[in-house]
Amino acid sequence: DAGVIQSPRHEVTEMGQEVTLRCKPISGHNSLFWYRQTMMRGLELLIYFNNNVPIDDSGMPEDRFSAKMPNASFSTLKIQPSEPRDSAVYFCASSFPAGNTEAFFGQGTRLTVV
Amino acid sequence: GDSVTQMEGPVTLSEEAFLTINCTYTATGYPSLFWYVQYPGEGLQLLLKATKADDKGSNKGFEATYRKETTSFHLEKGSVQVSDSAVYFCALSDRNYGQNFVFGPGTRLSVLP
Repeated sequence: DAGVIQSPRHEVTEMGQEVTLRCKPISGHNSLFWYRQTMMRGLELLIYFNNNVPIDDSGMPEDRFSAKMPNASFSTLKIQPSEPRDSAVYFCASSFPAGNTEAFFGQGTRLTVV
Repeated sequence: GDSVTQMEGPVTLSEEAFLTINCTYTATGYPSLFWYVQYPGEGLQLLLKATKADDKGSNKGFEATYRKETTSFHLEKGSVQVSDSAVYFCALSDRNYGQNFVFGPGTRLSVLP
C-alpha cells in the first residue's frame, strides 16, 4: 500500500480564497483524522470520521472550515474564506476503527495564506 | 479528558550519547501508548507502541516500557546518531472507551556529530 496520500504537498493562496485539501486513506482503514500542526499550538485534531461519518468535529476552529468524506477512499478539508492565521501544516491520518491500533499519517499539506 | 505530558525540548546531545525523553499520561481507561517520530518536512511515523502494562515496545534501537503504576512511557536509546535528529511525540489511544489519539506537544532532538 502506498500509505496515506495527501495533495497538494504545498499550497500558497491569497487571503479570502477557497482552499481544498485532499486525502486518500489506506485501503481498509475505516477511521480518518484531520490534524493541524503549528509551532504555537502543536498538533490539533480538527475532525474525525468513522465509516465516512463525521463523529467528532469539535476541533474545527470555525464555520470557515468544513470536511467531507464522500466515500471510504477520499476526504477533503475545505477552508472558505482562508485567512493568514490558517497557515499551518495539515495532516490526514487513517487507522482501523476498533481496538488500539496506530494511526498512519500522510506527508501533510503545508498551507500558506498571504 | 485523557492527556499526555512530555518533557519540553529542545534536547541536544552528542553522537553516541544516551537518550531519555520522559512521557507521562492521564487516562480514565486502559490506553495503548505510542511514540511517533517526525523528520523535517515529513508526517508522523510510528516508532514503537505498547498495548498493555509492562509491555516493552522497541524499534531502531529505541525502547519504551508501559508503566501503569507510574503512568509513564519514557523513550530511551543507548547510543543516538545524527540521523535520529527529529521531533518525537508521545501519544495514547483508548478507542474502546471512545478516546481517540491524544498527542503530547513533541520534543525536538538534535544530535551533533
